[in-house]
Amino acid sequence: KAGVTQTPRYLIKTRGQQVTLSCSPISGHRSVSWYQQTPGQGLQFLFEYFSETQRNKGNFPGRFSGRQFSNSRSEMNVSTLELGDSALYLCASSLAGIEGEKLFFGSGTQLSVL
Amino acid sequence: AQKITQTQPGMFVQEKEAVTLDCTYDTSDPSYGLFWYKQPSSGEMIFLIYQGSYDQQNATEGRYSLNFQKARKSANLVISASQLGDSAMYFCAMREGKGSARQLTFGSGTQLTVLP
Repeated sequence: KAGVTQTPRYLIKTRGQQVTLSCSPISGHRSVSWYQQTPGQGLQFLFEYFSETQRNKGNFPGRFSGRQFSNSRSEMNVSTLELGDSALYLCASSLAGIEGEKLFFGSGTQLSVL
Repeated sequence: AQKITQTQPGMFVQEKEAVTLDCTYDTSDPSYGLFWYKQPSSGEMIFLIYQGSYDQQNATEGRYSLNFQKARKSANLVISASQLGDSAMYFCAMREGKGSARQLTFGSGTQLTVLP
């Protein structure tokens, strides 16, 4: 069974640009969550999607958005990039996002904003 | 206040020895789950072990066990018979509550180095 796949693995953008990251969950998983990891702030929750609906959102500005498609694949978008957006963006999937479920993470997309 | 505290930024252990990584948590929710993940230099977060707040027994997964002390709000990870491949960053995380409002809150991590 294939794991969580995130593309691209690396991205370099400049300030003011926008970026879209992609996540394909494990087959059959319907919940997808996104996390941002930086050396200063550690791992922080961005948002969670289930059946194409955003169920929960972390404390990030509106420049960070996401969506989920009917096949459970998810994308996150960051508009008007800032230097502080440089981070490893991790996607995690689980069957239904319920209590006790394991979350499986992808290898992440390393975003560098110049 | 920190919800998840990992007080050991770095740890060293000799190969084949056991090691304990500390984690304390803070929550007023009676229903929560505690996770440990391993992150090697490749970046992927690898699930290791899970403990639910209502679980009566400590969780075990192969060489990993979780020393869950609910009254002390601690959930330490014990790795037995350390291997060189265990060298990585280890994160403790908590998921609170029921229903749809769930997310993982992570600690700052412990960098484990296994020495040959």
